[in-house]
Amino acid sequence: DTGVSQDPRHKITKRGQNVTFRCDPISEHNRLYWYRQTLGQGPEFLTYFQNEAQLEKSRLLSDRFSAERPKGSFSTLEIQRTEQGDSAMYLCASSLVFARGRAAGYGYTFGSGTRLTVV
Amino acid sequence: DAKTTQPNSMESNEEEPVHLPCNHSTISGTDYIHWYRQLPSQGPEYVIHGLTSNVNNRMASLAIAEDRKSSTLILHRATLRDAAVYYCILRDRNYGGSQGNLIFGKGTKLSVKP
Repeated sequence: DTGVSQDPRHKITKRGQNVTFRCDPISEHNRLYWYRQTLGQGPEFLTYFQNEAQLEKSRLLSDRFSAERPKGSFSTLEIQRTEQGDSAMYLCASSLVFARGRAAGYGYTFGSGTRLTVV
Repeated sequence: DAKTTQPNSMESNEEEPVHLPCNHSTISGTDYIHWYRQLPSQGPEYVIHGLTSNVNNRMASLAIAEDRKSSTLILHRATLRDAAVYYCILRDRNYGGSQGNLIFGKGTKLSVKP
């Protein structure tokens, strides 16, 4: 396993267009997270999945954002009608959580991110 | 998650030890202390975590104060590749429910001079 993969690495789009990002987590990980990071800030939580179920969404995740994780494997994050304020790095991470919510000891594994520029 | 406080930036010389401080005065008894780092143009990377006792791994050491209100990440011999933003994060040990997310602050930007 080569870690968490994100595609594409860079995306430039015109305002108003829709974009979709893909994340392939570590295969044995059951949790998958999406974060957004703007310049000079730490990553901000957007949403997470346990297997195929989306369990939490941040207030940052407006109606224009939707995430899916069909079959509990890869995930997609779609942004509709992009705005310039959506320009950011979108990070995906995965982790393994055992029953009763106890995590494996090594924490989250992040991908390298997709950098979105809306022009 | 409880809040942490870190210096915005620190400088170090190559091959010298680095001590990165973190204050977490409102830590609860079930909060683990996690450290992640983010190298330029990469996603964050797990470094180390601990609860009460000091911890060592191949990357770093974590020294936790007796009252747990502060901790220090120790890089024993800084290299140029250690230049990154270091994040100190508290997470409850029981995060099976809605506590699925790490909450990142701005972290400490570490510069390493040759």
